[in-house]
Amino acid sequence: KQEVTQIPAALSVPEGENLVLNCSFTDSAIYNLQWFRQDPGKGLTSLLLIQSSQREQTSGRLNASLDKSSGRSTLYIAASQPGDSATYLCAVVTGANSKLTFGKGITLSVRP
Amino acid sequence: KAGVTQTPRYLIKTRGQQVTLSCSPISGHRSVSWYQQTPGQGLQFLFEYFSETQRNKGNFPGRFSGRQFSNSRSEMNVSTLELGDSALYLCASSLGGQGVYGYTFGSGTRLTVV
Repeated sequence: KQEVTQIPAALSVPEGENLVLNCSFTDSAIYNLQWFRQDPGKGLTSLLLIQSSQREQTSGRLNASLDKSSGRSTLYIAASQPGDSATYLCAVVTGANSKLTFGKGITLSVRP
Repeated sequence: KAGVTQTPRYLIKTRGQQVTLSCSPISGHRSVSWYQQTPGQGLQFLFEYFSETQRNKGNFPGRFSGRQFSNSRSEMNVSTLELGDSALYLCASSLGGQGVYGYTFGSGTRLTVV
């Protein structure tokens, strides 16, 4: 059974800091990994999608990497801003199942 | 293009009642998945429909059911509501199988059972 872990559960950083959010998964037979952002009381916004054959994806100040063999992904946020404050979730699709298995998320607070 | 639309946004129901939630996927997307989000359990997979067929199901009791119509719109039904069913219910649409093109989520329906 796939399990996804995100540690720590919460993170507070000053504005302008570069930061890395970690995600680990137990079963390396993934099809892809997707990072989402969730603002309080809202739905999920997709940030980056990494296919199992890819090593990384970039979008603006965001860069996500994937190391399937070690069961890890990182989301790098450059020059953090208060508007980046949200919960960040990673999720994987494993094997033949067309479903996402989510981590519990990391709640990020960027202090002005 | 229009995103994933979920209605209603908020619902308050009494224990024992039933409820139906609706999800309209992105035009052209044939896969619709449903997830339950609670503070304690996080996001949990309910079921997935593709071309009107349930393709995958999570570990939820039979009180949770769904269906998909020929236009890919999907409904989720919960019967005999319990207090523990209070949650944010999220719908996701995808172009194909295994989420090859990723999943796009709606804004969710907040269900409160009193």
